[in-house]
Amino acid sequence: QVQLVQSGAEVKKPGASVKVSCKVSGYTLTELSMHWVRQAPGKGLEWMGGFDPEYGETIYAQNFQGGVTMTEDTSTDTAYMELSSLRSEDTAVYYCATFGESFDYWGQGTLVTVSS
Amino acid sequence: QSALTQPASVSGSPGQSITISCTRTSSDVAIYKFVSWYQQHPGEAPKLIIYEDSKRPSGVSNRFSGSKSGNPASLTISGLQAEDEADYYCCSYAITDSFNYVFGTGTKVTVL
Repeated sequence: QVQLVQSGAEVKKPGASVKVSCKVSGYTLTELSMHWVRQAPGKGLEWMGGFDPEYGETIYAQNFQGGVTMTEDTSTDTAYMELSSLRSEDTAVYYCATFGESFDYWGQGTLVTVSS
Repeated sequence: QSALTQPASVSGSPGQSITISCTRTSSDVAIYKFVSWYQQHPGEAPKLIIYEDSKRPSGVSNRFSGSKSGNPASLTISGLQAEDEADYYCCSYAITDSFNYVFGTGTKVTVL
């Protein structure tokens, strides 16, 4: 059984960056395809990007290209999502989720609040 | 941009069956692959309830069923129970000039 545990809530000022972590247990990160999904307050789910094992690289949604970086530390089985140049519209809960043919397992979510 | 449209809300009484549709936009030329469905209770992470159009993960009630015959895809909840009150999202991946996973707009299910 895969378990994903994310880092705690963050409050950032506009223009800053934030890095959210997602610790894997039950499997190793190399056995999984990790993706990130966000949900603004009262809104729906939005896919941000993730690792595509077929191409062996991380793919990003068009809306996030250039503004988000997803990395992995296989020595600690931890995935990271860094979002830069934060704006108030980036206030959301950010989820990590593993992908097989669907988003199978989800982290508990990390609330990122962008406020001056 | 590719999009999947769901009704904003669906309601039903306990024991009834309800169906949630997931419709791709009519002008969309994207190729959509498998549809999955997620249940989300307030304050919680989404939970996978249907994958590959109609398969249920282990532990998910057989009251949930999915189908995709053309457009739209749909999720049916049979024998509605109070605990089914939640938001539901469909998801698919759309192949256009880029590769994107697309979530539906979401449906609030209310048990009357």
